[in-house]
Amino acid sequence: NAGVTQTPKFQVLKTGQSMTLQCAQDMNHNSMYWYRQDPGMGLRLIYYSASEGTTDKGEVPNGYNVSRLNKREFSLRLESAAPSQTSVYFCASSELPPGQLAKNIQYFGAGTRLSVL
Amino acid sequence: AQSVTQLDSHVSVSEGTPVLLRCNYSSSYSPSLFWYVQHPNKGLQLLLKYTSAATLVKGINGFEAEFKKSETSFHLTKPSAHMSDAAEYFCVVIPSSGGYNKLIFGAGTRLAVHP
Repeated sequence: NAGVTQTPKFQVLKTGQSMTLQCAQDMNHNSMYWYRQDPGMGLRLIYYSASEGTTDKGEVPNGYNVSRLNKREFSLRLESAAPSQTSVYFCASSELPPGQLAKNIQYFGAGTRLSVL
Repeated sequence: AQSVTQLDSHVSVSEGTPVLLRCNYSSSYSPSLFWYVQHPNKGLQLLLKYTSAATLVKGINGFEAEFKKSETSFHLTKPSAHMSDAAEYFCVVIPSSGGYNKLIFGAGTRLAVHP
């Protein structure tokens, strides 16, 4: 019972480098999300995908792009990493669309710890 | 604007003593409220949720929370702390204003449990 799987677990980048964070869920969920977690700030939504083929910006989308490759996979790309993107990144999924979150539960991956030097 | 305030960034208790993690919210509408727990190097796990049914909500691992509209609070409690409860806890609100229901996270409370 894998749930939500994120790779890699840790990554160190130099400023200006690019990388893609991978996320896959095996629960046949329709909706997927990317968050970043910074000390003292809780989690903030970067992008979400309500269903396969759609993506929308969240609270802090600048500097990121996403791809909903298929129903299972939702990747987050940093085209030119900056030190301000040093954070812990969480992927999540939910069965119902975002508009029904009040009745819904989000399942989270274990996170990717990213440092940008 | 909607917001969530967790009143303590760190709470330390002895094993076997009660736990109280405080959360206040502001919302223009009747919100849905959640508590999530994050153990070290793990993702977030749902502890419990309030969605306008009973005001006292029971969750997993002996935790419960009471929704008090007059105080705009949703404090998390447990009668007797266990060592395995040491983790970070997040209070989350979804303001039910229609459309996309955005999760608003509190900053988190780190719970330490001492023998």
